[in-house]
Amino acid sequence: LAKTTQPISMDSYEGQEVNITCSHNNIATNDYITWYQQFPSQGPRFIIQGYKTKVTNEVASLFIPADRKSSTLSLPRVSLSDTAVYYCLVGDMGAGSYQLTFGKGTKLSVIP
Amino acid sequence: DTAVSQTPKYLVTQMGNDKSIKCEQNLGHDTMYWYKQDSKKFLKIMFSYNNKELIINETVPNRFSPKSPDKAHLNLHINSLELGDSAVYFCASSQDGPSAGNQPQHFGDGTRLSIL
Repeated sequence: LAKTTQPISMDSYEGQEVNITCSHNNIATNDYITWYQQFPSQGPRFIIQGYKTKVTNEVASLFIPADRKSSTLSLPRVSLSDTAVYYCLVGDMGAGSYQLTFGKGTKLSVIP
Repeated sequence: DTAVSQTPKYLVTQMGNDKSIKCEQNLGHDTMYWYKQDSKKFLKIMFSYNNKELIINETVPNRFSPKSPDKAHLNLHINSLELGDSAVYFCASSQDGPSAGNQPQHFGDGTRLSIL
């Protein structure tokens, strides 16, 4: 079965940089890699999206190697308000047809 | 203005009942989705519609039937509710469908369904 995998949880101190990696070995050729942030009792919120190399916006950076089989979300200098669950989303071709697949989420806890 | 709104926010009902969840988006997007998030926080796509046409239909029981009266609305009707249907259901929308490369999605805040 197609898989999109990411670490279950991470801890970080305030002010540190946090990198969360997602593996997506069967990503569809033309598909973007998208990351979402979810707070309790809210819907996921779009953070950043990329196709290859590096993308940066006002909240995060996304690093994508040439083979696109993984991606790394980088959060610079995290604060307590960055405590949330982070999901990667890709279109996966592992099962022979296109499947929109979320990773199982990485719970980031930021410690004062 | 709420971009993607779902009603109701909470739904508590008994096993065997039929219920509906409504979703509306005011972003002018062409594609809408329904997701199920279980108690372990796993998000799984159920359906996707593009301009009122079904484009993604994952393996979900026939008891779940989506309906899109227009491209701004995607409702979810569930027949004969079972205990395992208890979850949070999220509606989302995007400018284009997944075939356009997985466009950024805007999510509602979810409907928490509890089956007694």
